[in-house]
Amino acid sequence: AQSVTQLDSQVPVFEEAPVELRCNYSSSVSVYLFWYVQYPNQGLQLLLKYLSGSTLVESINGFEAEFNKSQTSFHLRKPSVHISDTAEYFCAVSGTSGTYKYIFGTGTRLKVLA
Amino acid sequence: EPEVTQTPSHQVTQMGQEVILRCVPISNHLYFYWYRQILGQKVEFLVSFYNNEISEKSEIFDDQFSVERPDGSNFTLKIRSTKLEDSAMYFCASSDPRGNQPQHFGDGTRLSIL
Repeated sequence: AQSVTQLDSQVPVFEEAPVELRCNYSSSVSVYLFWYVQYPNQGLQLLLKYLSGSTLVESINGFEAEFNKSQTSFHLRKPSVHISDTAEYFCAVSGTSGTYKYIFGTGTRLKVLA
Repeated sequence: EPEVTQTPSHQVTQMGQEVILRCVPISNHLYFYWYRQILGQKVEFLVSFYNNEISEKSEIFDDQFSVERPDGSNFTLKIRSTKLEDSAMYFCASSDPRGNQPQHFGDGTRLSIL
């Protein structure tokens, strides 16, 4: 069985400041890891994925996340946030075989302040 | 970019009534999922569907729930006799034939049980 912990339910940060959203997972098997973003009244949009290979993955809009197997973490970072990054961010894990169902964390609400 | 579409966006139903939530997955996808998110809680896995049958279901997915792929494009979730606690946002997701690729989510159906 897998589980995901997002310790921060809300993160306020000023515009152009850096941010890190934390994600830790627990699993007895190999995993794939994902970050999804949810804007108000919208569905979940894929931000980043780790399937294999380089442990540092990047998105087109400046976010990055690093898979750390020893610390079972997949923290999301951005060096300089914009107002438009205000949203809820979900970390998810799936197994590498079987149904590939997602187990989600509880989400972190990122609020970027002017 | 192809999308997963869900209808209706909001469904209001009396307790005890049957409800059908509809989803049109991305056309070449073969793995289909339903998740739900009760207000203020995490996104939870309900069921996965592959090769015209349920491949996995959670403990939430009891006998009141069923899924169907009635034709080549639709994927439906039926709740036979709704309860107040079924009120939630329901998300449909699909992923491509490789299975281990990220899931694409619809915008969700908000189900309100009165």
